[in-house]
Amino acid sequence: GEDVEQSLFLSVREGDSSVINCTYTDSSSTYLYWYKQEPGAGLQLLTYIFSNMDMKQDQRLTVLLNKKDKHLSLRIADTQTGDSAIYFCAESYTGGFKTIFGAGTRLFVKA
Amino acid sequence: GAVVSQHPSRVICKSGTSVKIECRSLDFQATTMFWYRQFPKQSLMLMATSNEGSKATYEQGVEKDKFLINHASLTLSTLTVTSAHPEDSSFYICSARDLKGLENNEQFFGPGTRLTVL
Repeated sequence: GEDVEQSLFLSVREGDSSVINCTYTDSSSTYLYWYKQEPGAGLQLLTYIFSNMDMKQDQRLTVLLNKKDKHLSLRIADTQTGDSAIYFCAESYTGGFKTIFGAGTRLFVKA
Repeated sequence: GAVVSQHPSRVICKSGTSVKIECRSLDFQATTMFWYRQFPKQSLMLMATSNEGSKATYEQGVEKDKFLINHASLTLSTLTVTSAHPEDSSFYICSARDLKGLENNEQFFGPGTRLTVL
């Protein structure tokens, strides 16, 4: 079945890079997403990547996709305290109704 | 960008009462809306998917008579927690998707509703 897995916690120092990893099982996934959730709030789409891409960069965010290993990562350069949040990896496929979410990685940024 | 609102943002009620949560798409027509439940420090659990004008599709283990969903218009879906009990206390999040013109299946999320049942 469909499954998305992430590590639960990551702690980095302010100014360092953060790398959040995710693995998924559904090889028919077309879209892979990274969402951010701040305390007491809904989810905000940070970025997404099509399954036919290897990399996508958007300012401080870099998404890498290894389709063979079904591995997705999100790199945040120059991590700031405002980046402290929960980051969810998610997948869906063309024509599909559902989006499958991982459990979320809680990022702690130490000043 | 697409905005989804939820009301109320926070509600406290007594056990046995019913609570209605509204989810609105403010600047687009939401052909599909999703209702999620999130427990503390856990991921989103999809409760049901609703399409405008038709009955909601509930996920396994979610009681449809307990969690009533109505999607009467293209901009509004409601979730009613009937006869709420303390174990229903949770963070409820809705999301909406417009299948027209979207290139990435993106869902737009509301800010969530914190329900506390005493």
